[in-house]
Amino acid sequence: EVQLVESGGGLVKPGGSLRLSCAASGFTFSSYSMNWVRQAPGKGLEWVSSISSSSSYIYYADSVKGRFTISRDNAKNSLYLQMNSLRAEDTAVYYCARDSLALGYFDYWGQGTLVTVSS
Amino acid sequence: AIRMTQSPSSFSASTGDRVTITCRASQGISSYLAWYQQKPGKAPKLLIYAASTLQSGVPSRFSGSGSGTDFTLTISCLQSEDFATYYCQQYYSYSWTFGQGTKVEIK
Repeated sequence: EVQLVESGGGLVKPGGSLRLSCAASGFTFSSYSMNWVRQAPGKGLEWVSSISSSSSYIYYADSVKGRFTISRDNAKNSLYLQMNSLRAEDTAVYYCARDSLALGYFDYWGQGTLVTVSS
Repeated sequence: AIRMTQSPSSFSASTGDRVTITCRASQGISSYLAWYQQKPGKAPKLLIYAASTLQSGVPSRFSGSGSGTDFTLTISCLQSEDFATYYCQQYYSYSWTFGQGTKVEIK
């Protein structure tokens, strides 16, 4: 069974940093591109970042470019999101999601981890 | 970035109804469109990809159609478990973008 479990969310002050993790199991993690997608409270979905299976290709939404860094450790079946210079508008539930066939749609999602940026 | 616009934003329907949700892309995206269902407090669930291909395990009452800029999600006979918010998503070009969502409520 495919499982994605996010962790690392919490309360952080504006300008602070946080590192999210996503532990994957039930599939060959190293064969799949992975993504972070977020959802602000009461709002819609926003794609944040993608990383290819071997980390060769990395993409970011303009809203986080230069502040967030996506990475992965295939030996540990783990995906990460380093978030720096956090702003109030980064407050959201962050989901990790598997990219089916590296095409850009997401066939499995984690349960999400809440990041709150507030003073 | 490609803008995705869904309509309506919300509506009420009854169990057994046939419902249709529309998604329009700001430029042509061929058939690179997915639909997701999300229930409160839960992660989104993939329903359809490639505009009309049903994800494994998704009931056949769900169907998708369209290509280019105009797409539809149809639920042929609404069930109680279908009351949720639905999102379209284009994966034609980065940045991947979602529609704003359509909430289907019980009448």
